[in-house]
Amino acid sequence: DGGITQSPKYLFRKEGQNVTLSCEQNLNHDAMYWYRQDPGQGLRLIYYSQIVNDFQKGDIAEGYSVSREKKESFPLTVTSAQKNPTAFYLCASNPRGGFADTQYFGPGTRLTVL
Amino acid sequence: GNSVTQMEGPVTLSEEAFLTINCTYTATGYPSLFWYVQYPGEGLQLLLKATKADDKGSNKGFEATYRKETTSFHLEKGSVQVSDSAVYFCALRLDTGRRALTFGSGTRLQVQP
Repeated sequence: DGGITQSPKYLFRKEGQNVTLSCEQNLNHDAMYWYRQDPGQGLRLIYYSQIVNDFQKGDIAEGYSVSREKKESFPLTVTSAQKNPTAFYLCASNPRGGFADTQYFGPGTRLTVL
Repeated sequence: GNSVTQMEGPVTLSEEAFLTINCTYTATGYPSLFWYVQYPGEGLQLLLKATKADDKGSNKGFEATYRKETTSFHLEKGSVQVSDSAVYFCALRLDTGRRALTFGSGTRLQVQP
């Protein structure tokens, strides 16, 4: 079945550590996105990539980094510079075409800083 | 800038009650509009969408109509079930730039038997 997988489902990090969240899709989508969700809030855009080997900052990119070396993969690194990383992280993808295309979401990774 | 405003929750209803969740938007251009649903501990699933004025999106008994004159996209369902309990997000997307979704803050719906 086609879809988006994220791993791990739960992740615990000590202060000062970098961690990498995995996002893989087999939908053959060009565009991929990372969002952050905090309790009682909507999703905010961290980074996005519309094509392999290219990515752009979203609204809250500070303290995060990404890479897009393969079409199907878009890993997110939460660095020690991110002041408040505890949150639910969602990866999404869609075809590069029209703005009416559905954006599909993965199941999410819940990151907790200890 | 672009933004989406949703009614605050939680919304608590009895089974078979009528549901309305209000959503209004501000956008520079003509967006597509979406409703997503999130069940506890899961990612988001598309519920319905509309791409131009007066379009009606519908799915699983839920409906929403794209009202350009009032910049609204209110979600409705005639008879809710306990299984509809979830968080509902209204979102917009433009056909320029990054084409990312801009989300409202979400509305939690609790349906009691």
